[in-house]
Amino acid sequence: AQTVTQSQPEMSVQEAETVTLSCTYDTSENNYYLFWYKQPPSRQMILVIRQEAYKQQNATENRFSVNFQKAAKSFSLKISDSQLGDTAMYFCAFMKSGNSGGSNYKLTFGKGTLLTVNP
Amino acid sequence: ETGVTQTPRHLVMGMTNKKSLKCEQHLGHNAMYWYKQSAKKPLELMFVYSLEERVENNSVPSRFSPECPNSSHLFLHLHTLQPEDSALYLCASSQETGRALWGEQFFGPGTRLTVL
Repeated sequence: AQTVTQSQPEMSVQEAETVTLSCTYDTSENNYYLFWYKQPPSRQMILVIRQEAYKQQNATENRFSVNFQKAAKSFSLKISDSQLGDTAMYFCAFMKSGNSGGSNYKLTFGKGTLLTVNP
Repeated sequence: ETGVTQTPRHLVMGMTNKKSLKCEQHLGHNAMYWYKQSAKKPLELMFVYSLEERVENNSVPSRFSPECPNSSHLFLHLHTLQPEDSALYLCASSQETGRALWGEQFFGPGTRLTVL
């Protein structure tokens, strides 16, 4: 079974600064996907960024980038130039790839990190 | 309406009540999901429907009963719930190909359920 660990329950950062959220996971799979989802207060959860495990290049989406270390099973999220609208719960998630059915479609989430961006 | 909508947004029910949660997706997706989000715990996948067929129930108690009448609608029927079932129930949808479900999941705003 897969597990996802987010060791930082809460973090804060000043506006315009850079912050890194940590995520580690445990799996015996070789092919999988990793995700960061964002859940703003009282708003819908949205996908921030996705990484395929077979890709060595780290994914980036504007101010969001990841540091994917497959051997270390680490998948951290870096937010540059933090904005007030980045305040949210951030969830790291794991999904096996493949088409053999079973639990391959299951997103396994971490407990989340509450990020507060201060003005 | 756009995206994924859920009704009601808030629900308070007694342990002997029967109620239903509704989810509707306006994205043309072919897979829908129910998740339970409890405080201080990771999101838990409850049910998955792909092409209107249930493919995963993840050992959820029988007091939760899903229904997917078509690819746009998903229901969660509730009966004789327990106080520990109080949580935020999230619906999500995605566009999948074949049996491999790996696309981005789009979430609804959730229904905040309180069981007294």
